[in-house]
Amino acid sequence: EDQVTQSPEALRLQEGESSSLNCSYTVSGLRGLFWYRQDPGKGPEFLFTLYSAGEEKEKERLKATLTKKESFLHITAPKPEDSATYLCAVISKAAGNKLTFGGGTRVLVKP
Amino acid sequence: DAMVIQNPRYQVTQFGKPVTLSCSQTLNHNVMYWYQQKSSQAPKLLFHYYDKDFNNEADTPDNFQSRRPNTSFCFLDIRSPGLGDAAMYLCATSRGGQGSHEQYFGPGTRLTVT
Repeated sequence: EDQVTQSPEALRLQEGESSSLNCSYTVSGLRGLFWYRQDPGKGPEFLFTLYSAGEEKEKERLKATLTKKESFLHITAPKPEDSATYLCAVISKAAGNKLTFGGGTRVLVKP
Repeated sequence: DAMVIQNPRYQVTQFGKPVTLSCSQTLNHNVMYWYQQKSSQAPKLLFHYYDKDFNNEADTPDNFQSRRPNTSFCFLDIRSPGLGDAAMYLCATSRGGQGSHEQYFGPGTRLTVT
């Protein structure tokens, strides 16, 4: 059974204070790892897909990296508008079209 | 812009009164999903359609049904809502097959059961 664990559960940052979110996964044959951002009361917004170890993707202040066991979402010099819950999900070869989500990391960036 | 649309955004229903939530997409994706998300939890998959093929999750209650009359639309029917069914319901789509597996979510419908 695919498993995804995100840490920490919550993260409070000062504006400009860079940090990283962790997503550890156990899957049988990774097809893809996904990062989403979710604002309160809204649907998840797709950020990145990573397919293989060593791959990196960047978007504005966010950078996602992938190893064989975990992924990191680095937030560089965050702004208050980066406050959100960040969800990690995986899809495995055995899972067909189904994502397995982690529990999410709630990020609060204070000005 | 291509997108996933959910209506209504907020729905209030009475205990036991059937309710239908709708989802439409302009992405022309093969796969449509319905998730239930409760406060501070990850989305929980209820079922999905790959084209016309329906795939139910083993732990989805029989109270929840779905219809996909065409590629663009998908409906979630809750036959007899209980207080525990109050949640955010999310629709998502993906291309499916050998293509990319990213799922794109709609804005959600917040269901309140009184």
